[in-house]
Amino acid sequence: QVHLVQSGAEVMKPGASLKVSCKASGYTFSDYYMHWVRQAPGQGLEWMGRINPNSGGTNYGQKFQGRVTMTRDTSISTVYMELRSLRSDDTAVYYCARAPNTIFGLVTFDYWGQGTLVTVSS
Amino acid sequence: QSALTQPASVSGSPGQSITISCTGTINDIGSYDLVSWYQLHPGKAPKLIIFEASKGPSGVSHRFSGSKSGNTASLTISGLQAEDEADYYCCSYAGSSTFSVFGSGTKVTVL
Repeated sequence: QVHLVQSGAEVMKPGASLKVSCKASGYTFSDYYMHWVRQAPGQGLEWMGRINPNSGGTNYGQKFQGRVTMTRDTSISTVYMELRSLRSDDTAVYYCARAPNTIFGLVTFDYWGQGTLVTVSS
Repeated sequence: QSALTQPASVSGSPGQSITISCTGTINDIGSYDLVSWYQLHPGKAPKLIIFEASKGPSGVSHRFSGSKSGNTASLTISGLQAEDEADYYCCSYAGSSTFSVFGSGTKVTVL
């Protein structure tokens, strides 16, 4: 059974850096891309980027370029999302979501983590 | 890249059918059959209900169906049930530069 388990809620100061983890189980880790999507309070879903767990290759949303880094540790089937220079409008629930490593699976997010609430406040 | 356009809210009575539209551009929906739909209940993770514009994942009710025409994708919920009351988001591939864009979201209310 597929499970994506994320790290716990965080309260961060403006200007700080955040690192959220997402541990995968129940499938072959390298066979699926991992994406990060966030939802700010009262707002819609927003795609942040993805990582190929096999190669470590990444694609980032233009809005987050230069401020986000996605990495993985294949030995423990875990991906990480680091967001730097946090602002109050980064307050959101952050999700990891799995997508098949195929041309047709580019935006097919078939399993999601439980979400990590991040609050940015001074 | 702006969000895809969805109606803010759609409502229907139990048993009725409703349709949610998702309008994009030639750069996203208009160029790719890579549209997915997600159901969000408060406090829960999103759930995939349609992928590749019209395919339903195993385990998802056949009351959910998807289609696409031109720059617009649509999600139809047939035989509306109380449990369908949720927020729904579309998502489209938008090319290698932008990659992915979500819709603005639609709140479905079962009357």
